[in-house]
Amino acid sequence: AQSVTQLDSHVSVSEGTPVLLRCNYSSSYSPSLFWYVQHPNKGLQLLLKYTSAATLVKGINGFEAEFKKSETSFHLTKPSAHMSDAAEYFCVVSQSNTGNQFYFGTGTSLTVIP
Amino acid sequence: DTGVSQDPRHKITKRGQNVTFRCDPISEHNRLYWYRQTLGQGPEFLTYFQNEAQLEKSRLLSDRFSAERPKGSFSTLEIQRTEQGDSAMYLCASSLISPLGEQFFGPGTRLTVL
Repeated sequence: AQSVTQLDSHVSVSEGTPVLLRCNYSSSYSPSLFWYVQHPNKGLQLLLKYTSAATLVKGINGFEAEFKKSETSFHLTKPSAHMSDAAEYFCVVSQSNTGNQFYFGTGTSLTVIP
Repeated sequence: DTGVSQDPRHKITKRGQNVTFRCDPISEHNRLYWYRQTLGQGPEFLTYFQNEAQLEKSRLLSDRFSAERPKGSFSTLEIQRTEQGDSAMYLCASSLISPLGEQFFGPGTRLTVL
């Protein structure tokens, strides 16, 4: 079975400071991991994906995530937050042997303080 | 625009009525997924199609829900005898058949059952 735990429901940072959004996953098979962002009244947009090619994954808008198998973690980071980063972020796990259906975390709401 | 589209974007209905939503995936994508997202939660998997075949259904998909994908192109999701608990955002996503499994999401249909 697959599942995702996002450890923080809300994160607040000041503009220009680092962002850390935490995600732990559970998977009985080799997983694919994703981070999606959802801005208000907009669709889910892919930030980045891990598919076993490299443990440090670079995504759009300066975001990165590191896959740590020993810790079953896939935390999302960004060196310097921008006001436009304020949104809801979802960590997702899927497995190719189950049709790649997505299992979402409950989301982390990121607030950026000017 | 060649992304995933959904229609309608908003639907308000009275309890007990039937509603139908449509999803048009990215044209070359073989797989089509339906998810439901309630307020403050991550999306939850409902069902998915590979071409015209419905390959998996979540236990969340009660017998009041039915989905089709005739000819392996667009898909419809029908809810019969709607209940207030059906109020949610219904998301559609599509993907190619690949180990990567990246899914592209539509903007969603927001259903409100009065």
